[in-house]
Amino acid sequence: GNSVTQMEGPVTLSEEAFLTINCTYTATGYPSLFWYVQYPGEGLQLLLKATKADDKGSNKGFEATYRKETTSFHLEKGSVQVSDSAVYFCALSDRGSARQLTFGSGTQLTVLP
Amino acid sequence: SQTIHQWPATLVQPVGSPLSLECTVEGTSNPNLYWYRQAAGRGLQLLFYSVGIGQISSEVPQNLSASRPQDRQFILSSKKLLLSDSGFYLCAWSVRLEETQYFGPGTRLLVL
Repeated sequence: GNSVTQMEGPVTLSEEAFLTINCTYTATGYPSLFWYVQYPGEGLQLLLKATKADDKGSNKGFEATYRKETTSFHLEKGSVQVSDSAVYFCALSDRGSARQLTFGSGTQLTVLP
Repeated sequence: SQTIHQWPATLVQPVGSPLSLECTVEGTSNPNLYWYRQAAGRGLQLLFYSVGIGQISSEVPQNLSASRPQDRQFILSSKKLLLSDSGFYLCAWSVRLEETQYFGPGTRLLVL
């Protein structure tokens, strides 16, 4: 079956530090990959996605590259801000009719001023 | 533009009481609809999904049920709540045959 493994948190960084949150996956076929962000008390928002190997998703300074050879989709940002404090979820989508998402366990990020 | 609504936002219920959470989507037709649960400090667990009116697939056996009485309405129910049903319930939708899911604001349920 499909699965997603994320680096365990919590992660605490100072403002302007470099961020990496690791994500690896196991899937049959060629899934699409996603990063979602959840701010305190809110639902999930799509942050970025990539639909095929070597695609790079980017949004709000965040980037992630679909690496088929290492089955990874690591999230990076060059300079984090306090407002980036949230929980980040890596997910993959199967290609079946229901397009189900399989989520990682989430990584809590706290950015200190 | 499309929007997704969930209500109530917060709910406190005693053990053994019934439950009804509602999710509606506006601005799209024939969406796929999903219910997820997020327990405290944990990831998301897919509970149900629906690809059309009256079509419900269950991912996890439990005392919850789901119904889709209208194209853009998805309801999560229980006849008797358990303590373990406490959590954050998220509804999501996607365009049919596309993969990106869009989430609602969630309902926080506390069973006492």
